[in-house]
Amino acid sequence: GAVVSQHPSWVICKSGTSVKIECRSLDFQATTMFWYRQFPKQSLMLMATSNEGSKATYEQGVEKDKFLINHASLTLSTLTVTSAHPEDSSFYICSAAQRPGYTFGSGTRLTVV
Amino acid sequence: GNSVTQMEGPVTLSEEAFLTINCTYTATGYPSLFWYVQYPGEGLQLLLKATKADDKGSNKGFEATYRKETTSFHLEKGSVQVSDSAVYFCALSDDQAGTALIFGKGTTLSVSS
Repeated sequence: GAVVSQHPSWVICKSGTSVKIECRSLDFQATTMFWYRQFPKQSLMLMATSNEGSKATYEQGVEKDKFLINHASLTLSTLTVTSAHPEDSSFYICSAAQRPGYTFGSGTRLTVV
Repeated sequence: GNSVTQMEGPVTLSEEAFLTINCTYTATGYPSLFWYVQYPGEGLQLLLKATKADDKGSNKGFEATYRKETTSFHLEKGSVQVSDSAVYFCALSDDQAGTALIFGKGTTLSVSS
């Protein structure tokens, strides 16, 4: 079946630094990928939709300059958290649309200290 | 807009008990419906899905029937196991290209032996 590989699975970084999270579709081409954020014991909040070769569409309230999304190829989308702060600590999950369903990465636990 | 409402948790059961997690939705048109499961520290796994009214999705002993008349997609299992302890998310897709899944808030299930 369709597999989405997400790396790293966890990362600890210092305040003020940037962190890049990669999401790769391994055996299919993903024209569209979605990035979610999940707070402890809460549901998934859609952050943005990325389309290959075009700018990402961000949900209301999500800072596009802080959460940079690049979808340069049909198999790779990246999320860069710039100038990270402790409040950015969270679980980030990517998803690729593969009709009729969706495939999720295994998530990245980001801790900013 | 489209939305998903799940019963509040946590749900605590003894092994071999019957499980029901309620899920209702609001949507225009005819969405596809999904149940995802998330084990601690992991990403989301598709549990089952249904793409049209009266369809029954099933997997690993779990079942859910797409009820258009009651706009519901309740998850059931006849006999839960300790290994079923996880967070369960109900979700819908309007099946339009480029749109993300919409999730309910999730229901935590804890099964004790």
